[in-house]
Order: sequence, then C-alpha cells, then structure tokens
Amino acid sequence: DQQVKQNSPSLSVQEGRISILNCDYTNSMFDYFLWYKKYPAEGPTFLISISSIKDKNEDGRFTVFLNKSAKHLSLHIVPSQPGDSAVYFCAASRSNAGKSTFGDGTTLTVKP
Amino acid sequence: DTAVSQTPKYLVTQMGNDKSIKCEQNLGHDTMYWYKQDSKKFLKIMFSYNNKELIINETVPNRFSPKSPDKAHLNLHINSLELGDSAVYFCASSQAGGARGNEQFFGPGTRLTVL
Repeated sequence: DQQVKQNSPSLSVQEGRISILNCDYTNSMFDYFLWYKKYPAEGPTFLISISSIKDKNEDGRFTVFLNKSAKHLSLHIVPSQPGDSAVYFCAASRSNAGKSTFGDGTTLTVKP
Repeated sequence: DTAVSQTPKYLVTQMGNDKSIKCEQNLGHDTMYWYKQDSKKFLKIMFSYNNKELIINETVPNRFSPKSPDKAHLNLHINSLELGDSAVYFCASSQAGGARGNEQFFGPGTRLTVL
C-alpha cells in the first residue's frame, strides 16, 4: 500500500512560468508534509514543509498548499528557473513515528 | 564541513561477497536512517536508529544488518550480495521534535553495483 503518491513522473515548464507539483496521501494520521529536491548524484535536500494545522506555507519562490479534506498537497515554484530542474520528492510523517514516507518523485525540467 | 557523509561513494563487487557502507553525521542528530533507491528511483526506508537503538526495520532481508556504534554513526553491512541489491543507498539523519517535522539530512549516496 503506497501511502504517498506523486502521479506525475515528470513535468516540463518554461523558465519564468509556474511549476506545480502534486502529491496525494492516504493516511490521515500524517501531521507533517515535506518536499525534498534531488539533483543527480546527490542526496535529497529539504526544500519546504507544512504542518497539518496549516493550509499554506511560503518560502521565497516556493509555496506548499495542503488540502486535508482531499488528502492532497502541491508545491508551487514561481517563477521557475533552469536551476530548479531536479527530482522533487514529497514526504509525509507522523511526529511520533520517527520516519517519513516518500512519494515516487517527479522530475521537473525547466527550459530556458 | 559535510553534514552527512558516506563511504564509499561507489562500490562494485561480485555476487556472494560481503560489503559494508559507512555513514557519519556531524549534526548532533539523534536519529539516523538507511534508504534504498532502486532502478525505478523509488526511495524506500530500510532502517532507522534512534540513540543507537533500532526503531524501524522495514521488510528487508536479514542479509542486511545495520550497526550503530554511537549516535553519529550508522553503518550498513550486507552479506551474500545478490544482483537485486544493486541500487543507490542513502544515509540520512534527523533530530526528533524538529520544527520542520522530521526534516532529514541526506548523505550523497553510495552506488552499489553487484556483478
């Protein structure tokens, strides 16, 4: 049972436009959601997170939206830059469980 | 300074051999993890240690044995390597109760190739 899903394996956008990456989850016990960014031959790095008590968190060009009723979150990148090209992983955690469950990743390509 | 380091970065070995991957974190975190990223790029947790104690052991063959000599180190030993063990292995660490909800810091990965 895959509890965190990223249904789009890839996304291509033009530089300067908005990138929207989506993530769905099934376990209503998750109380924190995180996005990680991964470049080739490197480990994932934390990008932004959101607590389940919020519906939006913004950090510069990156905004994460959480829709708990739909068990859906999305990452918006505005404006997109070529350096944003990477694999983006969505993850969900329960604060007392000591682990995160990761989605399959979405490869974002930002074209100059 | 590298926060989470892994050695070696690349490991090529024959089927049936035993190998180890080392991981060290200098962040003072109390929890460390091992993940496997297979050819389909899925990132699956294998083990988690908190203060040197095993707290998560996902469905992993018992040929894989993690060892945590102290809070800063979590090594992965693999016995009788099989072709299907070929993957990238990531070590990570986190601090319980972190403000950003189990934010993890990952090492650069070890690419294991079993021939």
